[in-house]
Amino acid sequence: EVQLVVSGGGLVQPGGSLELSCVASGFTVTSNYMTWVRQAPGKGLEWVSVIYSGGGTTYYADSVKGRFTISRDNSKNTLYLQMSSLRAEDTAVYYCAGGAKYYFDYWGQGALVTVSS
Amino acid sequence: EIVLTQFPGTLSLSPGERATLSCRASQSISSNYLAWYQQKPGQPPRLLIYGASSRATGIPDRFSGSGSGTDFTLTISRLEPEDFAVYYCQQYGSSPKYTFGQGTKLEIK
Repeated sequence: EVQLVVSGGGLVQPGGSLELSCVASGFTVTSNYMTWVRQAPGKGLEWVSVIYSGGGTTYYADSVKGRFTISRDNSKNTLYLQMSSLRAEDTAVYYCAGGAKYYFDYWGQGALVTVSS
Repeated sequence: EIVLTQFPGTLSLSPGERATLSCRASQSISSNYLAWYQQKPGQPPRLLIYGASSRATGIPDRFSGSGSGTDFTLTISRLEPEDFAVYYCQQYGSSPKYTFGQGTKLEIK
């Protein structure tokens, strides 16, 4: 059974940093396309970043480019999202998802990130 | 940037009825790149349909997808109580890599 467990969410001040982790089981992070998707309270889904299988090419939404970094640790089978220069508009539940290149087969339960003073 | 517009925003139906949800792209996209998800409150999205018309593993056959070019449809043939949720379409593109529609809320009438 595939499981993606997200951790690292919490309250952070504007301008601060936070790192999310997504530990995978029953599923190999490096062999799949891994992505972060966020959902602001009461809003729809917004794609944040993806890291491609194999070589690990990365892409970002314009809204987070230059502030967020996606990475993975093969030995820990874990996906990360390093977030810096956080803004109030980054407040959202962050989901880890993965699978195929064009769509997301598997989803973690999400972690709430709140950016507020 | 390709924009996905879903309609209606809210659909009110009764169990047993047929639901038709639409997703329109601002420009033509490959059917391979269009997916549908279901999301219930407090839960992550669940993949329903990929490649515009292929059901994901474990998805009941009352869910079906169709369409091409700019117009895509998710149909639920006979609504079950557990089908009332929010539905999103999603496409894979160039920049940004992925976009979602704004969602259709399917509510019990």
